[in-house]
Parts: sequence; C-alpha cells; structure tokens
Amino acid sequence: GAGVSQTPSNKVTEKGKYVELRCDPISGHTALYWYRQSLGQGPEFLIYFQGTGAADDSGLPNDRFFAVRPEGSVSTLKIQRTERGDSAVYLCASTLTGTNTGELFFGEGSRLTVL
Amino acid sequence: GQQLNQSPQSMFIQEGEDVSMNCTSSSIFNTWLWYKQEPGEGPVLLIALYKAGELTSNGRLTAQFGITRKDSFLNISASIPSDVGIYFCAGTSLGGSQGNLIFGKGTKLSVKP
Repeated sequence: GAGVSQTPSNKVTEKGKYVELRCDPISGHTALYWYRQSLGQGPEFLIYFQGTGAADDSGLPNDRFFAVRPEGSVSTLKIQRTERGDSAVYLCASTLTGTNTGELFFGEGSRLTVL
Repeated sequence: GQQLNQSPQSMFIQEGEDVSMNCTSSSIFNTWLWYKQEPGEGPVLLIALYKAGELTSNGRLTAQFGITRKDSFLNISASIPSDVGIYFCAGTSLGGSQGNLIFGKGTKLSVKP
C-alpha cells in the first residue's frame, strides 16, 4: 500500500516479556517518527529518525525502550521487560526531508497490551 | 513537560451546526497543527499553521495561529456526520526538534444527523 504500514496491529504479551514493533514508512520518506498514545490521550513523542540516525530520542521514557532504523527505511521499536504501563497504541509516522514541520503521515498503530 | 490545553473535551452537536474548539499553551509555539483521528486509525493532518496571526482554510475548516503564539482555534462550519472523530491540536515549541510534536488531549466530536 501507499501509506505507513505497522505490524503487528495488535500484540498481547505478559509482563516482563520482550516486544518488537515494526514500521514500514511511505516509500521515499527519509524521516520517521514513533509516538505512543495512551487511552484518552493525545500522541506522545518517543523518537525521530532522519535517515538511519536518531535525530531526537528525548521522548524515550527509559532504557527499556530502543528503536533502530539500520537501512534508513523500516524501523523497529523494541521494548524490553515490558510493564503494564507500557500498554498503549504505538504510532509510527513518516515525512519527506524538507517537508514543513509537523506534517506527518501516521500509520494505524500497533496496539500493545501488557497483562 | 510542556502541555497543550485543549477545549472543550467533547462536543455533541446537531448536523449543520458550526463547531469551534481551541488550544492554549503557557509557552510560545513555532507551529500549530490540527489533526483528526477516527477509531482504529492514526491521526490525519487537517491544517498546518506556521506564522503568528495566520488564518488558513481547508474546505469547511478554518484555523488560526494566535498572535501571541500561545493559542490556536479550529472552526468547522455546517457540520456533517463524517466530521465525527477526535480532533487534536499539536505544535512544536521553541528549541524542540521538528519531529517532536506536542499534542493536546483532543476534542471528541459527535454529530447527530
């Protein structure tokens, strides 16, 4: 498809387990973003990639969260030792470099439930 | 951290009515954006504002970037049932990276046919 693709769409895991969430951005988009949206809240910034490098990772809540984008396209958000508070929808977005600030194309998100 | 105060939290209106919602911040923002989110979907950009005082329209939607750079409003005229959803304001603050958008908590709009 032409949009941002995220997998899995739903993930249920147990507390303490490791989780990986994948994002496939729009073809040709060089910038990629991860946000987290808790129930009843707006999205909250986690990390932003420009190409392969993290340009801003100030939103990652702690060292259990890590994201990579080794070839400048697909990105994986990794969460270690999951906690119940990690339950949320994890949104990925992408843009072309040079696009006006904030004009993001979001995927449908990956809903993570930690039991 | 910085927060955006968005109001109202929810609105129940009749089809055909006009809608107004707003967003305020205690600090200056460089950009203001309005997104709409429907159930099971990611947010979709409606309007982007980049200059203080800027007034921009997109069909039945009109938004303004406040002169003080600390607020923005979104108006929807002649609402229709497909306007239903959650509307989020978002912005980038001074010193924030271009990828670091701060979102409000959203205004949930319900439209009665």
